[in-house]
Amino acid sequence: DAMVIQNPRYQVTQFGKPVTLSCSQTLNHNVMYWYQQKSSQAPKLLFHYYDKDFNNEADTPDNFQSRRPNTSFCFLDIRSPGLGDAAMYLCATSRDQFYEQYFGPGTRLTVT
Amino acid sequence: AQSVSQHNHHVILSEAASLELGCNYSYGGTVNLFWYVQYPGQHLQLLLKYFSGDPLVKGIKGFEAEFIKSKFSFNLRKPSVQWSDTAEYFCAVKTSYDKVIFGPGTSLSVIP
Repeated sequence: DAMVIQNPRYQVTQFGKPVTLSCSQTLNHNVMYWYQQKSSQAPKLLFHYYDKDFNNEADTPDNFQSRRPNTSFCFLDIRSPGLGDAAMYLCATSRDQFYEQYFGPGTRLTVT
Repeated sequence: AQSVSQHNHHVILSEAASLELGCNYSYGGTVNLFWYVQYPGQHLQLLLKYFSGDPLVKGIKGFEAEFIKSKFSFNLRKPSVQWSDTAEYFCAVKTSYDKVIFGPGTSLSVIP
């Protein structure tokens, strides 16, 4: 089945230690998104790629970066995680920006 | 700035009760509308969507939603809920000029 895969499902990192979260898709969708979701809150868009074009949200901290080396893969890099960055990180894809999004299972990040 | 509101933060129903979850948005132009559901421990998935045409749309698992343009609303309904409908429900809106905006979510608990 075509799907959105996130690795790892659970990630523990130390305060200030860089961490990379991975997302891959078999849907061949043009758009890939990264969201941060904290407990009982709506997903908050961090940034998205439309093909190779990177679109950063104005309120996304510089601490968060992303790479999309090809259509299938997208990475979220947190350069110096703080305690406030502990959250579920969701990757999503869509065929185009106006279509529905398909979400991965998320990576739960813990910062110690 | 566009925004999405959901009327209830937490709803508790008995099985077989009828459900209506409210969603309102603030944008006067063309919109694409979505309801997503997040079951406990699972990833976000699309419940239904409205792009154009018949304002009454049917989704999976017996859910439906009605788009009322004059009221800027897209309420979710189900005539008879089941225990398995216990989940977090998110309304989302895509405008022509902005990203998808998620509402704050409504937590539904169905009591057997």
